[in-house]
Amino acid sequence: GIQVEQSPPDLILQEGANSTLRCNFSDSVNNLQWFHQNPWGQLINLFYIPSGTKQNGRLSATTVATERYSLLYISSSQTTDSGVYFCAPRWEKLVFGQGTRLTINP
Amino acid sequence: DGGITQSPKYLFRKEGQNVTLSCEQNLNHDAMYWYRQDPGQGLRLIYYSQIVNDFQKGDIAEGYSVSREKKESFPLTVTSAQKNPTAFYLCASSLIQGAGEQYFGPGTRLTVT
Repeated sequence: GIQVEQSPPDLILQEGANSTLRCNFSDSVNNLQWFHQNPWGQLINLFYIPSGTKQNGRLSATTVATERYSLLYISSSQTTDSGVYFCAPRWEKLVFGQGTRLTINP
Repeated sequence: DGGITQSPKYLFRKEGQNVTLSCEQNLNHDAMYWYRQDPGQGLRLIYYSQIVNDFQKGDIAEGYSVSREKKESFPLTVTSAQKNPTAFYLCASSLIQGAGEQYFGPGTRLTVT
């Protein structure tokens, strides 16, 4: 079946640090979404990005569909960035990875 | 305010009882989805609906049922046949199925004892 692999599984950083989260997927995709799940469980849409690069404030994402990976960059981390980050490539439907748990310490 | 609402936020039930989780959206989206999340895991698709009066099984449909009588509403029933019903349940919608960005509701945490 289709596989989605996210790395690293856990990441602990100090406030102000930068980070790169990676998502590998096993087949070419129609599209891809990145989400942030906050401590209350709410999934917040970050990016809808089938290919190329998008930026939104301190966050940016790049998807290289031909090489089957996507990257999420977080710069100047804040404690409110803590939570779990999911990528979800879409074939007929979204398929979620296991997530990267990010902890930002003050 | 446009969005997706789920109720209740927390739900407790005894084993052997059916329970229905509510999901409503006012985004005028045709497609709606139900996902299950277990601790430390990603989301898995239970059921989805492309249009009113139509729905399809996802990857883990056994022990669940749905209905789609109105465009705005997609309730999920967790039946007594579901072996491990305790989980976090998330509802989502998108403009059309198979394309477009999916948006999620706040979720319902179901505990069955």
